[in-house]
Amino acid sequence: SYALTQPPSVSVSPRQTASLTCSGGNLGNKYVCWYQQKPGQSPVLIMYQDTKRPSGIPERFSGSKSGNTATLTISGTQVIDEADYYCQTWDSSTVIFGGGTKLTVL
Amino acid sequence: EVQLVESGGGLVQPGGSLRLSCAASGFTFSTYWIYWVRQTPGKGLVWVSRISGDGHNSDYADSVKGRFTISRDNAKNTVYLQMNSLRAEDTAVYYCGRDIVVVGGMDVWGQGTTVTVSS
Repeated sequence: SYALTQPPSVSVSPRQTASLTCSGGNLGNKYVCWYQQKPGQSPVLIMYQDTKRPSGIPERFSGSKSGNTATLTISGTQVIDEADYYCQTWDSSTVIFGGGTKLTVL
Repeated sequence: EVQLVESGGGLVQPGGSLRLSCAASGFTFSTYWIYWVRQTPGKGLVWVSRISGDGHNSDYADSVKGRFTISRDNAKNTVYLQMNSLRAEDTAVYYCGRDIVVVGGMDVWGQGTTVTVSS
């Protein structure tokens, strides 16, 4: 079955750039979206169709894709960005989430 | 205000049934795919099912196929998830979400409803 791979954890210093990756077979031919989830809260969509930011999402969040790897980049990371981040795609009639990356800002 | 509100969770014995509801407001409900996603405490997001805006198309994760049924009543702006033959591993917080565009991602999520399957 199809799978998306994310690193379990990423650490970044405040004001630095964080790069979160998401890899999967033939991902270059699939749309990818990204969610942010903070403890005790519902997920928030922060990127869709690879590079589009929903209304209200800060410009410091950007998305890209190269080959079979999608990347969520957070420029000028802030302490409030500390959260779990999940990538998601579609494979045929199935919806797949990555395992999630815990972003620590310290 | 655009929102989704889940209800119907609770404690049920293994083998039992439960019906979850996802009530929508603030948008043209019938034009959006709606998803169900679940999450076990401390674990990741897992997709469960989805249904098209007109209700004619639906998909399921292999883990729930044949046991869960998704449906919608556009007159009531509500999506349902009928869960039968429940197992301990179905224990989770269940969220419903609205697809921002077809294969876009869920831009509106409910607060979640907790399902506990235990004897």
